[in-house]
Amino acid sequence: GAGVSQSPSNKVTEKGKDVELRCDPISGHTALYWYRQSLGQGLEFLIYFQGNSAPDKSGLPSDRFSAERTGGSVSTLTIQRTQQEDSAVYLCASSTWGDTQYFGPGTRLTVL
Amino acid sequence: GENVEQHPSTLSVQEGDSAVIKCTYSDSASNYFPWYKQELGKRPQLIIDIRSNVGEKKDQRIAVTLNKTAKHFSLHITETQPEDSAVYFCAALSNTGNQFYFGTGTSLTVIP
Repeated sequence: GAGVSQSPSNKVTEKGKDVELRCDPISGHTALYWYRQSLGQGLEFLIYFQGNSAPDKSGLPSDRFSAERTGGSVSTLTIQRTQQEDSAVYLCASSTWGDTQYFGPGTRLTVL
Repeated sequence: GENVEQHPSTLSVQEGDSAVIKCTYSDSASNYFPWYKQELGKRPQLIIDIRSNVGEKKDQRIAVTLNKTAKHFSLHITETQPEDSAVYFCAALSNTGNQFYFGTGTSLTVIP
């Protein structure tokens, strides 16, 4: 079946602009995760959605970052007033309860 | 919360030799431990996983061992090949939620 998809694959923006990144999880997966990965670094947890529960936002680095998940499926990560330090690959993953995560291909964000 | 530590951060081996990567975790409630391989510019992909009701699992040249008492688990790659060169991440999942906690990654280089 179809895996996790993300769009766009690449995004170049100017400092101060807002960006939206989209994630389509695997159908039927109740959990959805966003991570950030800077070049050569590990996976930085951002936010986690599980079913209809309130999301775990504990990893969001600032109030410029927000995310929503509509209808328990598609998720959008929004970064307002982008800064150069926001440049990274943003990875989305989905899973069923208690099972492994499957990652999307990521969105490479470059803030000029 | 859970804390996962991973060692070493970098590892170089000669082709044909074995490679071992170790992770420790802090939450005794963690019961699922996946390992991901991330090739340069690609998404993390699951290569092997183990649940807390077993002590070892093997899949061809890859094996994972788990010591619940000591709270550590290890990835073993035998007969390494150049295509094994990648970054490897361990992770732990607690049975009290569906949040994954990742190690900081090990960059493995297999020298031909």
